[in-house]
Parts: sequence; C-alpha cells; structure tokens
Amino acid sequence: KQEVTQIPAALSVPEGENLVLNCSFTDSAIYNLQWFRQDPGKGLTSLLLIQSSQREQTSGRLNASLDKSSGRSTLYIAASQPGDSATYLCAVSSGGSEKLVFGKGTKLTVNP
Amino acid sequence: ETGVTQTPRHLVMGMTNKKSLKCEQHLGHNAMYWYKQSAKKPLELMFVYSLEERVENNSVPSRFSPECPNSSHLFLHLHTLQPEDSALYLCASSQEPPRTGEAGRVSGSLYEQYFGPGTRLTVT
Repeated sequence: KQEVTQIPAALSVPEGENLVLNCSFTDSAIYNLQWFRQDPGKGLTSLLLIQSSQREQTSGRLNASLDKSSGRSTLYIAASQPGDSATYLCAVSSGGSEKLVFGKGTKLTVNP
Repeated sequence: ETGVTQTPRHLVMGMTNKKSLKCEQHLGHNAMYWYKQSAKKPLELMFVYSLEERVENNSVPSRFSPECPNSSHLFLHLHTLQPEDSALYLCASSQEPPRTGEAGRVSGSLYEQYFGPGTRLTVT
C-alpha cells in the first residue's frame, strides 16, 4: 500500500528565504507526482506535475524534483513571500485507476 | 464558469437530513473524484468515476451515495450522517486516455487532477 510522508509538518521562515519541502513515498512504481497548494478552508491548486519519466519541473519561483528510485521528491521555493503561506501537499499516482495518495502536508508560514 | 465548481460551499445538516453536494467541471475531462478532508488527516479518496464507470473505495459507508449522470457532473447524496462525517468534501476531475483511439499518447496534463473549492460540511 502506497504511503506518502511529508517533512516537516510545519515550517516558519522570514520573507526572502529559499526553502525546501520534502516528500517521500514507499512504492517507487508511480505514474506521476503532483504538488498542490491549499489555502485555509479552500480547495487545492495544482502547482506542478512530474511524470515518472521526468526528473524535475519548474514554474516561476517553484522547482520540483523527483527521484523515483529513492522514493523522494522536493519542492524548492525561491525568494519566499508572505503570499506563499499555505499548506503544501504532495500526492502520487500509482494505479491504473490513477488514484492519488496524499501526504498530510507541510504548513508553510512566511513572515514579513 | 471555468475549472471545477462545487455547491454549496457551506452546509450544516442534522443527522436525519438528506442533502446532496454538487460538482461540475468545465474542463472537458472524463474522470471525476470525491475526496474527504478531515482535520489532521490526509485527503481520503471516496469515489472515482472514470470513463463512465464507477470505482469506489469499499470503506466508504453507504450513507454516502455518489451519482454521475454525465462526464461533467458529479453528485454526492448524503443521508443519516454522523457528526464524525463533518469535513471538507472536495471534488476533482482529470483527463484519462480513451479506451479506443490513439493508445499510448500522453499529454502534459493527462491524469493531472484539478480540484474544486470544496464544500465545508458540518453535521449537528
């Protein structure tokens, strides 16, 4: 059974800092991995999707990497801003029905 | 309307009530999902409708009943809920390859799930 773990559970940083969020998964036979952002009480916004054949994806100040063999992904946020404060969720898709298995998320607070 | 919409955004219901949650996707996708998000727990997949077939998680109680009349609409019918069912219910959609046609073609957004804003459900 696929399990996804995100470390740390919470992170507080000053504005402008570069930071890394970690995600690990137990079954390396994945189809893709998605990073999402969730603001309090809101739905999920897809940030980046990495196919299993890819090593990384970039969007603006965000860069996500994937090491399928070791079961790890990182989300790098450059020059963090207060507006980046949210919970970041990692999810992997493994099966033919393309079910996503989610981690519990990392709650990020960027202080002005 | 664009993306995935959900109504209502907030719902308070008693344990004896019957209500329905509605989800609509405007992305031309062919798969739709219901998720439950409880406090301090990972998102839990409840139901999947994929290529007009239903795939369900057997651990979902029968007091939750999904309905997918077409590829753009998804409902979650609720009856005799319990207080522990209070949670944020999220709908999502994605594009899966068709059963017939161009097998093996993968686009950048294939299987990528797009989420609605959620319905905050409180059971009293």
